[in-house]
Amino acid sequence: GENVEQHPSTLSVQEGDSAVIKCTYSDSASNYFPWYKQELGKGPQLIIDIRSNVGEKKDQRIAVTLNKTAKHFSLHITETQPEDSAVYFCAACSRDDKIIFGKGTRLHILP
Amino acid sequence: DVKVTQSSRYLVKRTGEKVFLECVQDMDHENMFWYRQDPGLGLRLIYFSYDVKMKEKGDIPEGYSVSREKKERFSLILESASTNQTSMYLCASSFLTGAYNEQFFGPGTRLTVL
Repeated sequence: GENVEQHPSTLSVQEGDSAVIKCTYSDSASNYFPWYKQELGKGPQLIIDIRSNVGEKKDQRIAVTLNKTAKHFSLHITETQPEDSAVYFCAACSRDDKIIFGKGTRLHILP
Repeated sequence: DVKVTQSSRYLVKRTGEKVFLECVQDMDHENMFWYRQDPGLGLRLIYFSYDVKMKEKGDIPEGYSVSREKKERFSLILESASTNQTSMYLCASSFLTGAYNEQFFGPGTRLTVL
């Protein structure tokens, strides 16, 4: 089945700098890759997703890139702000139509 | 706005007790899911349901069962709670069948089994 690896597990960046979280997946048939953000005390919430027919998608300060050949995808957050502090999960949709989540990255934005 | 509510934010139970975790969604979603979240392990799917009275096992169903008698309500049952079931439990729902659809999560129930 699908396996999703996510790195790093913890990331600290200065406010205003960029943050990058990377994920790899194992099933070459996977073709949908969502990213979820979990703020303290809340459930995860979808922030951006990408399908395999595009290589990059951007929404204001966040962007996701996908390299199908290498089977990896990344979340980029530019001009980070305190409200970006959260746990971020990448995920891949496997061939049996299930979403497999990565283990999460705790992002700290330092003042 | 989609709202997914879970019956308790915090729950403390004793080993061997039968535990019910309730989840309700108000957007007429077809699909509902139960996950557990543990540090360093991410989100792991326990059970999901694509329709009333229908259920399918996820990746870690052992020790759990579910019930979906009404479309809006999905219950997770721990028949005999054990300490290794101490965890954060998250319920989610989605409108369309299949994983290619946004999942809306509840706030979670933190269960402690003593």
